[in-house]
Amino acid sequence: GESVGLHLPTLSVQEGDNSIINCAYSNSASDYFIWYKQESGKGPQFIIDIRSNMDKRQGQRVTVLLNKTVKHLSLQIAATQPGDSAVYFCAEIPYDKVIFGPGTSLSVIP
Amino acid sequence: DTGVSQDPRHKITKRGQNVTFRCDPISEHNRLYWYRQTLGQGPEFLTYFQNEAQLEKSRLLSDRFSAERPKGSFSTLEIQRTEQGDSAMYLCASSLLAGADTQYFGPGTRLTVL
Repeated sequence: GESVGLHLPTLSVQEGDNSIINCAYSNSASDYFIWYKQESGKGPQFIIDIRSNMDKRQGQRVTVLLNKTVKHLSLQIAATQPGDSAVYFCAEIPYDKVIFGPGTSLSVIP
Repeated sequence: DTGVSQDPRHKITKRGQNVTFRCDPISEHNRLYWYRQTLGQGPEFLTYFQNEAQLEKSRLLSDRFSAERPKGSFSTLEIQRTEQGDSAMYLCASSLLAGADTQYFGPGTRLTVL
C-alpha cells in the first residue's frame, strides 16, 4: 500500500553542525506534510509544515523542502543543539488522518 | 496549559481487565483523533471524531475497542478484555478544521498489559 518512508533510520551529528533528515512519500493525493519531533515518553510535537503548492518553507532554525517530482521531503536543522535529539517523523495528510513514516532518530554529539 | 491533555499518563493492568483513557482536546478544536504507537514505530491511526460524530474507524480498532465523544468535547477510549498485544502508547490529537489541517498531539497514555 501507499506509505511514507525515511531513508535513514538513525543520524548522529556534531553539536553546531546542520542536520538533514530525508523522507520519501508515495501517496500522490497528499497535499499537506508535517514534520513532528518526538522526545522519549512524549507525544509528537509539531515542528513545521508545508503544503504542496510550495517547495520550501522556513521556520526558526528549521527548513522543510518538498520535491513533488520525486515525492521527497526533507527537514534541515541549522546549528543542531543537544535539545534537538529526538525521533523525527515526516507525516503526510492526504485526507483527514495523519500517515506517519517510521521515524529517524537524531542524536547530537556534544 | 491550553494544549491537548490525556489521562492517565501511565496505566498498568492485568490481562483481561478493562481500561479507559480520557482525552481533552484544545478547546475550540472540532476534530479529535486517536492513534496507537508501539516502540520504534510511528503512530497509527485508530479513529476520529467530528464534534460528537465518530466518522472513521481503522481496522486496527477491534471490537474490544470503543471510543466516544458524547458532548463533542472530551473523548474516551475504552479497551475491554485487554491483551498483552494492546500494550502501547495511545495518543490523542485534535485539529481545528476538517481535512488537511494541523493535528496537535497530547502526551499520550502508556498502557502496559501484564
